[in-house]
Amino acid sequence: ILNVEQSPQSLHVQEGDSTNFTCSFPSSNFYALHWYRWETAKSPEALFVMTLNGDEKKKGRISATLNTKEGYSYLYIKGSQPEDSATYLCAFSGTASKLTFGTGTRLQVTL
Amino acid sequence: DTEVTQTPKHLVMGMTNKKSLKCEQHMGHRAMYWYKQKAKKPPELMFVYSYEKLSINESVPSRFSPECPNSSLLNLHLHALQPEDSALYLCASSQDPGNSNQPQHFGDGTRLSIL
Repeated sequence: ILNVEQSPQSLHVQEGDSTNFTCSFPSSNFYALHWYRWETAKSPEALFVMTLNGDEKKKGRISATLNTKEGYSYLYIKGSQPEDSATYLCAFSGTASKLTFGTGTRLQVTL
Repeated sequence: DTEVTQTPKHLVMGMTNKKSLKCEQHMGHRAMYWYKQKAKKPPELMFVYSYEKLSINESVPSRFSPECPNSSLLNLHLHALQPEDSALYLCASSQDPGNSNQPQHFGDGTRLSIL
C-alpha cells in the first residue's frame, strides 16, 4: 500500500496571506506527481503534473516544487484570495498507469 | 464547465436494485477511470480502461461491473450493493493510456446512497 500524505489537513488564512502545503510520497519508483484543486460541488481540476526532480511549475499565483529523491512536493499560493478556497490534492504515480491520491489539504481563505 | 459529464448527479437505491452510472467525454481521450471517494478520504482507483479495454481492476467486488461501449462512454453497472458502497463515484479521462504524466480530467461525480 502506497503512502501519500499531505499536511496540514486544513488551513485557514486571511486574504492576502501566502501559504504552502506539503505532499510526501515514496521516494522509490517515481513516475509523476500531480496536483489538483477541488472546489466544493465541482470536479477536481488539474493544476500541475511534475515528472523531474527539481521541477518547478507556476500558474498565476500558484506554484509547486518537486524533490523526488527525498519524496516531497510543495504547493505555494501567493496572496491568497477567497476564490482559492478549495481542497488541494496531490497524487503520486509509481507506474505509468495509475495515481494514488493523498487525503488533501483543505484551504479556507477569509476576507 | 467540466468536459467529462457524469449522470446522474445523485442516486439513491436499495440493496436489491440494479442501476448504472454513466460517464461521457468528447476530448478523444483513450484512457478512462472510475474512482470511489468516501467522506474525508482520498479518491481510490477502481478501474482503468485503455483503448476501450479493461486494463486495471483494483480488486473491486463483482457487484460493480464496468463497461466501455465506445471511446467516449464509460458505464458502471451496480447490482446488490451494500450500505458501505455509499460514496461519491468519480469518472476521469486522460489522453493516452499508460502515461500518467498527463493530467486527468474529472467529472463532477455521482453521489450514491444505498438504503
